[in-house]
Amino acid sequence: DAGVIQSPRHEVTEMGQEVTLRCKPISGHNSLFWYRQTMMRGLELLIYFNNNVPIDDSGMPEDRFSAKMPNASFSTLKIQPSEPRDSAVYFCASSSRMGANVLTFGAGSRLTVL
Amino acid sequence: GQQVMQIPQYQHVQEGEDFTTYCNSSTTLSNIQWYKQRPGGHPVFLIQLVKSGEVKKQKRLTFQFGEAKKNSSLHITATQTTDVGTYFCAGRTNAGKSTFGDGTTLTVKP
Repeated sequence: DAGVIQSPRHEVTEMGQEVTLRCKPISGHNSLFWYRQTMMRGLELLIYFNNNVPIDDSGMPEDRFSAKMPNASFSTLKIQPSEPRDSAVYFCASSSRMGANVLTFGAGSRLTVL
Repeated sequence: GQQVMQIPQYQHVQEGEDFTTYCNSSTTLSNIQWYKQRPGGHPVFLIQLVKSGEVKKQKRLTFQFGEAKKNSSLHITATQTTDVGTYFCAGRTNAGKSTFGDGTTLTVKP
């Protein structure tokens, strides 16, 4: 298995632009998580899905952030409009109950908003 | 809500010295996981502890879960330069949500 695949790896954009981050979880994993990592706030859980259904989005900062999981093999995290304070590394992770709910992280998407 | 505190935030050691990081939860946990993140990398799973008082070892790493299932520790014996990185604990409650600590960043001077 190629692991959790995230794209893009790096994104530089200007304030006000729309940003879409993509994630392909490990095949067979039924849970998917979006995390944001910054020096100031550490690793924050933004939202997670079980069987493609959003379970807890209490970590989503504000309405500018949205996440979807249209099927078991794909998820997106969208920021519209982006702001400089959104600059961070965004990680996607997946897990399965069969795998004792161990999180497997993708390599991350480093977002810089100018 | 659930809070997971980790100390220290940073630790600088000389190669060969021991290292310990501590994790404390505000609520009783169903299990705790430990992850390591190398500089510029992503968190990678190390181990999961489930039972009260559990102790597990991986070579030079020793992991403990407290009797009350609210705290945990990771101890590295005789650190090596390959141990550098940030070590995170993640506490999971019965509600199924995992909360990460802020991590302890270890640097090792050769």
